[in-house]
Amino acid sequence: KQEVTQIPAALSVPEGENLVLNCSFTDSAIYNLQWFRQDPGKGLTSLLLIQSSQREQTSGRLNASLDKSSGRSTLYIAASQPGDSATYLCAARGAGGTSYGKLTFGQGTILTVHP
Amino acid sequence: DGGITQSPKYLFRKEGQNVTLSCEQNLNHDAMYWYRQDPGQGLRLIYYSQIVNDFQKGDIAEGYSVSREKKESFPLTVTSAQKNPTAFYLCASSTRSSHLSYNSPLHFGNGTRLTVT
Repeated sequence: KQEVTQIPAALSVPEGENLVLNCSFTDSAIYNLQWFRQDPGKGLTSLLLIQSSQREQTSGRLNASLDKSSGRSTLYIAASQPGDSATYLCAARGAGGTSYGKLTFGQGTILTVHP
Repeated sequence: DGGITQSPKYLFRKEGQNVTLSCEQNLNHDAMYWYRQDPGQGLRLIYYSQIVNDFQKGDIAEGYSVSREKKESFPLTVTSAQKNPTAFYLCASSTRSSHLSYNSPLHFGNGTRLTVT
């Protein structure tokens, strides 16, 4: 059974700092890994989706990497801004066994960027 | 604008009552999903549907029911059999969830917060 873990659970940084959020998964048989942002009381907004054959994806100040063999993905946020404050979740789409086709979510990292 | 609409945003019910949460999408997506989110936990899949008139149980389907009579709509009923119904419920959709389309991203609605007392 796939398990996805995000570390740290919460992170507080000053504005302008570069930061890294971590996501690890136990089963490397995945189709892709997706990063989401969730604002308080809102739904999830897709940020980046990395296919299993890719190593990284970039969108603006965001860069997500994927290392399937080690079961890890990172989300790098450059020059953080207060507007980046939100909960960030990762989710792995299983490609084998009982996790086939299923999206397994991590618990999320609560990010606070203070001015 | 295309998107997913969940209503209502907040819902309050007495214990023992069934309640139905609405989810409508105009993205022309075939696949739709219901997730439950509890504090400190990842999202958990309740039910999903890949096509009209077909749906499958997710990981925590007990105490819930769904229907998929129209492509655009996937309502979720929380029955009195659900032991801990108070939670944040999220609806999502994607292009058809086949082995050819597992690479498509999920799009989420803004959620319904259900409180049962």
